[in-house]
Amino acid sequence: EVQLLESGGGLVQPGGSLRLSCAASGFTFSSYAMSWVRQAPGKGLEWVSSISGSGSFTYYADSVKGRFTISRDNSKNTLSLQMNSLRVEDTAVYYCAKDRGTISWHDHWGQGTLVTVSS
Amino acid sequence: EIVLTQSPGTLSLSPGERATFSCRASQSVTGTFLAWYQQKPGQAPRLLIYGASSRATGIPDRFSGSGSGTDFTLTISRLEPEDFAVYYCQQYASSRTFGQGTKVEIK
Repeated sequence: EVQLLESGGGLVQPGGSLRLSCAASGFTFSSYAMSWVRQAPGKGLEWVSSISGSGSFTYYADSVKGRFTISRDNSKNTLSLQMNSLRVEDTAVYYCAKDRGTISWHDHWGQGTLVTVSS
Repeated sequence: EIVLTQSPGTLSLSPGERATFSCRASQSVTGTFLAWYQQKPGQAPRLLIYGASSRATGIPDRFSGSGSGTDFTLTISRLEPEDFAVYYCQQYASSRTFGQGTKVEIK
């Protein structure tokens, strides 16, 4: 059974940094691209970033490019999202998602971790 | 960027009725690279449909997807109580974008 467990969320001041992690199990982690998708309170879904199975290719939404960095450790089955220069509008639940392919749909999702950016 | 517009914003229906959701793209979605997700309050989204018309594993056959180019449709043939939720479309042909969602509420 595929399991994705996010951690690292919390309260941070504008301009601050936070690192999210996602522990994956139940599948061959290195064989699949992974993504982060966020959802602001009461709003819809927004794709944030994706990374290929090997980690060689990364993709970002324009809203986070230059501030967020996605990475993965295939030896530890862990996906990460380093978030710098955080803004109030980055406040959201961040979901980790397993992708079917490098550019494809998200076939499994974690339960999410809440990031609140506020002074 | 491909913008997806979902309509209507809210559907008020009764159990047993047919639900039809529309997702319109600002430009053609090549390869029918479109997915549909269901999200219930306090839960993560769940994949329903990929490739515009292929049901994900474990999804009941009352859910069906169709369309190509710029116009896509999700249909629930007969609403069950557990189907009242928010539904999102997503394109993955050019980067990835989501529609704003359609909420199905009990009439």
